[in-house]
Amino acid sequence: DAGITQSPRHKVTETGTPVTLRCHQTENHRYMYWYRQDPGHGLRLIHYSYGVKDTDKGEVSDGYSVSRSKTEDFLLTLESATSSQTSVYFCAISEGGSHYEQYFGPGTRLTVT
Amino acid sequence: QQQVKQSPQSLIVQKGGISIINCAYENTAFDYFPWYQQFPGKGPALLIAIRPDVSEKKEGRFTISFNKSAKQFSLHIMDSQPGDSATYFCAAIDGGATNKLIFGTGTLLAVQP
Repeated sequence: DAGITQSPRHKVTETGTPVTLRCHQTENHRYMYWYRQDPGHGLRLIHYSYGVKDTDKGEVSDGYSVSRSKTEDFLLTLESATSSQTSVYFCAISEGGSHYEQYFGPGTRLTVT
Repeated sequence: QQQVKQSPQSLIVQKGGISIINCAYENTAFDYFPWYQQFPGKGPALLIAIRPDVSEKKEGRFTISFNKSAKQFSLHIMDSQPGDSATYFCAAIDGGATNKLIFGTGTLLAVQP
């Protein structure tokens, strides 16, 4: 998985609790992304980062926040988890510029009860 | 709003047959069209990609056909094998603006032996 790890790999949490998912890369790529994957929707972009402390929203950003304090780490936080946020979350990295390929991590399965 | 429309949702093909998955897009600013392959429990991985200045790209048994005027592109898998059974996603990116991938909803391919 191209030097990308995600933690935790599985998590069950209760509605209303905060949750933080971590993505760590060893490739020194500039761009990092968070997606969620749901049946019938494919992969949808939540937030992405184009550098340390530089982030922007994707198409489904409501209820999520991100932070990137180091090149190698990109954190996704659900401030108050809801059942609609039950999903599989994937982190991806890319060199950016003219190099468009995105490399995906193994995913985190999150269940909100 | 689904910017990249993918069909069919699922596909069953006999071993040795041809698998065909179709995608259509609206945004003429898209300038890179990758296909990703995803096996159960794994993150998506880049399979093959094309830029709009060519009409076809072939890599082994996998071919992308691209019709710029119709804003359509398709993946052909020749001599389909049981090991090709996976979910396939088409995608598009506007590298000049946001470098964000927009995914189709996916096609679950089953190749029967």
